[in-house]
Amino acid sequence: QVQLVQSGAEVTKPGASVKVSCKASGYTFTSYAMHWVRQAPGQRLEWMGWINGGDGDTKYSQKFQGRVTITGDTSASTAYMELSSLRSEDTAVYYCARVVLVVAASGYYYYMDVWGKGTTVTVSS
Amino acid sequence: DIQMTQSPSSLSASVGDRVTITCRASQSISRYLNWYQQKPGKVPKVLIYAASSLQSGVPSRFSGSGSGTDFTLTISSLQPEDFATYYCQQSYSTPWTFGQGTKVEIK
Repeated sequence: QVQLVQSGAEVTKPGASVKVSCKASGYTFTSYAMHWVRQAPGQRLEWMGWINGGDGDTKYSQKFQGRVTITGDTSASTAYMELSSLRSEDTAVYYCARVVLVVAASGYYYYMDVWGKGTTVTVSS
Repeated sequence: DIQMTQSPSSLSASVGDRVTITCRASQSISRYLNWYQQKPGKVPKVLIYAASSLQSGVPSRFSGSGSGTDFTLTISSLQPEDFATYYCQQSYSTPWTFGQGTKVEIK
């Protein structure tokens, strides 16, 4: 079955960086995009960016531009999200999510159909 | 960025009730609207995509409607397993954005 397995929880200090991995199985990694979403405690879901599994093209939310880097290793079917210059407000659960494209007469529709279980990142001095 | 606003932020309902949640976009997003359900400590699960298409495996008591700026998620007969937080999300343009969530609680 389709599965996304994320790396374990991280505790890190302000100013440091964190790199979260997301290993895909059960489907062809290069045929789908992978998105990253985070959720701070009690807050709404927040989209961070995505990578095209096929050609490695990326796009980031302006909010995280310059601090986030999303990469992919097609040989390992794994996507990575690295966030730098961490601050306490970055404490959150970070999710990877596969995105499906549905082509209809009315347009091209995207949605996140499979999610990783999340990686808790705690930033504390 | 497109702002997504849900109402209400929370509601109390009984098993068997009909529940409606609304989502408003700050600009027209056509039908590029998805709905997710999230239970405490769990991963979000897609219910509806493209405003009104039911994701495979999702019970038919869930339905979605709307286009442009105004959308609704309806649960025709609330079941015990439906108590959760529901989020709308637009995929019209990046950055994709989510509503603040609607928490459905047991009355």
